[in-house]
Amino acid sequence: EPEVTQTPSHQVTQMGQEVILRCVPISNHLYFYWYRQILGQKVEFLVSFYNNEISEKSEIFDDQFSVERPDGSNFTLKIRSTKLEDSAMYFCASKSGPSSYEQYFGPGTRLTVT
Amino acid sequence: QQQVKQSPQSLIVQKGGISIINCAYENTAFDYFPWYQQFPGKGPALLIAIRPDVSEKKEGRFTISFNKSAKQFSLHIMDSQPGDSATYFCAASKWTSGSRLTFGEGTQLTVNP
Repeated sequence: EPEVTQTPSHQVTQMGQEVILRCVPISNHLYFYWYRQILGQKVEFLVSFYNNEISEKSEIFDDQFSVERPDGSNFTLKIRSTKLEDSAMYFCASKSGPSSYEQYFGPGTRLTVT
Repeated sequence: QQQVKQSPQSLIVQKGGISIINCAYENTAFDYFPWYQQFPGKGPALLIAIRPDVSEKKEGRFTISFNKSAKQFSLHIMDSQPGDSATYFCAASKWTSGSRLTFGEGTQLTVNP
């Protein structure tokens, strides 16, 4: 069964450093998402991406964040200058097309900012 | 108006019992209501979902009940098993192409053997 994959599974970085989280969405899916989950809290939407541009972003997704689809398979989330409060699980999700609803999530990357 | 409220925060059920988790939403533009199951250290996994044109959807031991007028929906797990022990999130979205999911706070379900 096709699945969303994410790397790395755990990333530790120092405050102020840049991090790139990588995702490979399900093949042939057209819509891509990043969500985050701070430990013990609910999952929060960050950004959606379609046709090589951002469709929607939340108030969390400020200028420190950016997304990119550098090739036909990868989808990345970059945090330019990490803060302690960026520590969370980051989930990538994808859905097949405009007429579908189902979003499928990857296993997540645990980001720890020290 | 984007909130989805979920209860209870935690739930303990005996094996074979019925687990019931409730959610309420505010935004009447929401038209897709999925439930996700999450095990520790894993990503949310889509369990079952409903659109507001039906009041109930059943898949195996899992049933969603939907009350459009009350803006509430619930997940029922029949014959609960220890393997069902996980965190369950309800969510909602509008049918737009980008369609972000708005999640509830989550319910930690423990099914005792």
